Amino acid sequence: NAGVMQNPRHLVRRRGQEARLRCSPMKGHSHVYWYRQLPEEGLKFMVYLQKENIIDESGMPKERFSAEFPKEGPSILRIQQVVRGDSAAYFCASSPGTGTNEQYFGPGTRLTVT
Amino acid sequence: KNEVEQSPQNLTAQEGEFITINCSYSVGISALHWLQQHPGGGIVSLFMLSSGKKKHGRLIATINIQEKHSSLHITASHPRDSAVYICAAENFGNEKLTFGTGTRLTIIP
Repeated sequence: NAGVMQNPRHLVRRRGQEARLRCSPMKGHSHVYWYRQLPEEGLKFMVYLQKENIIDESGMPKERFSAEFPKEGPSILRIQQVVRGDSAAYFCASSPGTGTNEQYFGPGTRLTVT
Repeated sequence: KNEVEQSPQNLTAQEGEFITINCSYSVGISALHWLQQHPGGGIVSLFMLSSGKKKHGRLIATINIQEKHSSLHITASHPRDSAVYICAAENFGNEKLTFGTGTRLTIIP
């Protein structure tokens, strides 16, 4: 049973470009969470999704950021018109959604905006 | 909004020492998570607990619901335990985690 997979592991974008971060949850997991870790700061919740539904996006910046978890395929965190302040490590985690909320983390995507 | 605080922020100890990391939170929770972040950045879930105590190898996690406090203990510490340890509170009613700022642990051989 493969763990949570994220790709790419490292992503470099120039200011104004779009960044797409992918997260494939563990097999059988239907809940996905995205977290951001800014340099020298702690983890912060961004969004919680179930298949085809956004459950809680209270941690998402109001503009330029969006997330989806389609019926088929990975969850996508999309950042439009990136700025230097978006440089961070983005982690996703998944949980089975039934009986336990133990979350399994992916290796993260390190986004660098130049 | 739950405020999660950890102490100490940094901890350096000799190999073999008993380690304690503390976590307190301000609002009642459904569960408390302990995570380990390796120097390379990867995150591993160590424990999720809502009462009492859990043990896995040399790691022990305890929680006191009344006092809104949890501790992570490491027995017979080893240099490979060097990492950042993060506690996170899971709030009632949603599965969102609120994270502490982490404790950077360094074990010297």
